[in-house]
Amino acid sequence: GAGVSQSPRYKVAKRGQDVALRCDPISGHVSLFWYQQALGQGPEFLTYFQNEAQLDKSGLPSDRFFAERPEGSVSTLKIQRTQQEDSAVYLCASTLDSSLRREQFFGPGTRLTVL
Amino acid sequence: GESVGLHLPTLSVQEGDNSIINCAYSNSASDYFIWYKQESGKGPQFIIDIRSNMDKRQGQRVTVLLNKTVKHLSLQIAATQPGDSAVYFCADLLGGGYQKVTFGTGTKLQVIP
Repeated sequence: GAGVSQSPRYKVAKRGQDVALRCDPISGHVSLFWYQQALGQGPEFLTYFQNEAQLDKSGLPSDRFFAERPEGSVSTLKIQRTQQEDSAVYLCASTLDSSLRREQFFGPGTRLTVL
Repeated sequence: GESVGLHLPTLSVQEGDNSIINCAYSNSASDYFIWYKQESGKGPQFIIDIRSNMDKRQGQRVTVLLNKTVKHLSLQIAATQPGDSAVYFCADLLGGGYQKVTFGTGTKLQVIP
């Protein structure tokens, strides 16, 4: 298993529920990104970690969204009080280091459906 | 805000023909561009990249052309195969110290056997 993995692959939540999405980056990768991809659209940046530090969270759509990477490896994206507009695929990507133009490796995503 | 966008949402190509996917970008400060391929149920996969100081770059069966004058990118796929069927995104990198990537909307490539 050398790639980025995400779990669960599919999540159905009732409106108002909290959800937690997990990302396991490639071992040793320093940088980690979360993206949100609506149906038929390109991924949109949510947040960026360098090791355990969250250096950019400018893409998080509201204060209901929270991400962490406490030990600099696994990351969790938490969405509180989910709304229907949160329905999307949530993608995680990692890169070896923070160098510019370093290839991002994406996981398969978690498809979140909020009813 | 600044964005990267595509001209055509869907492109149908006969197997064996060449495919050309186009993309316009709006930020003249962008200095690095990437093409991604996304198959159904998977995350985007890096295909090829190009820096703004180049106007052409070739890979295996793929070529990216960059026209900075008109802010236009294209991805050419030679001898298109059924396995090339996917959604293709162009993306740019604005710098800022890390790889903050902005994706376009995407073009769906359908290969007709």
